[in-house]
Amino acid sequence: GIQVEQSPPDLILQEGANSTLRCNFSDSVNNLQWFHQNPWGQLINLFYIPSGTKQNGRLSATTVATERYSLLYISSSQTTDSGVYFCAARYSSASKIIFGSGTRLSIRP
Amino acid sequence: ETGVTQTPRHLVMGMTNKKSLKCEQHLGHNAMYWYKQSAKKPLELMFVYSLEERVENNSVPSRFSPECPNSSHLFLHLHTLQPEDSALYLCASSQSVTGNTIYFGEGSWLTVV
Repeated sequence: GIQVEQSPPDLILQEGANSTLRCNFSDSVNNLQWFHQNPWGQLINLFYIPSGTKQNGRLSATTVATERYSLLYISSSQTTDSGVYFCAARYSSASKIIFGSGTRLSIRP
Repeated sequence: ETGVTQTPRHLVMGMTNKKSLKCEQHLGHNAMYWYKQSAKKPLELMFVYSLEERVENNSVPSRFSPECPNSSHLFLHLHTLQPEDSALYLCASSQSVTGNTIYFGEGSWLTVV
């Protein structure tokens, strides 16, 4: 079946470090989003990026649709960046959005 | 503030109780969703509504009953739940069921005792 896989599952970094989170998907997508789930449970939209590159402050994302992966970059990490990062893909043939299992990021002061 | 509001944020209910979760979106979207997030599990899609019609039901037990009275409101009625139903229930909306950004509410933490 259609799959969305994220790596690494867990990442522990010191404040100020940079990080790269990866999302692999098994089929062509027409919708790829990155979310940050804060400690209170809310999923915050970071990027809608079915292809190309976008940047928002210290965060940027790149999706290479032909190679079926997306990367989320976090530079100069802050403790408030801690939480779980999810990618989610919607495939052109279905309405269902498939979520990856997430990367749990812990930024230590 | 994402434009999707869920109430209550926290709910503790007994297995014989009947309760409801409410979701309201102020974004003018046509599609609304219920997701369940249990500890150490990926998000599970429960229901999808498009223009108030249910378009997807992912084999969810009948003790969960959705209701979509209009395109801005979505309810999840809960009846005779089990302790394993304790989870974070997330409501979301998008402009349509295909191809658009999805926005989530803050979630409702449900504990069944």
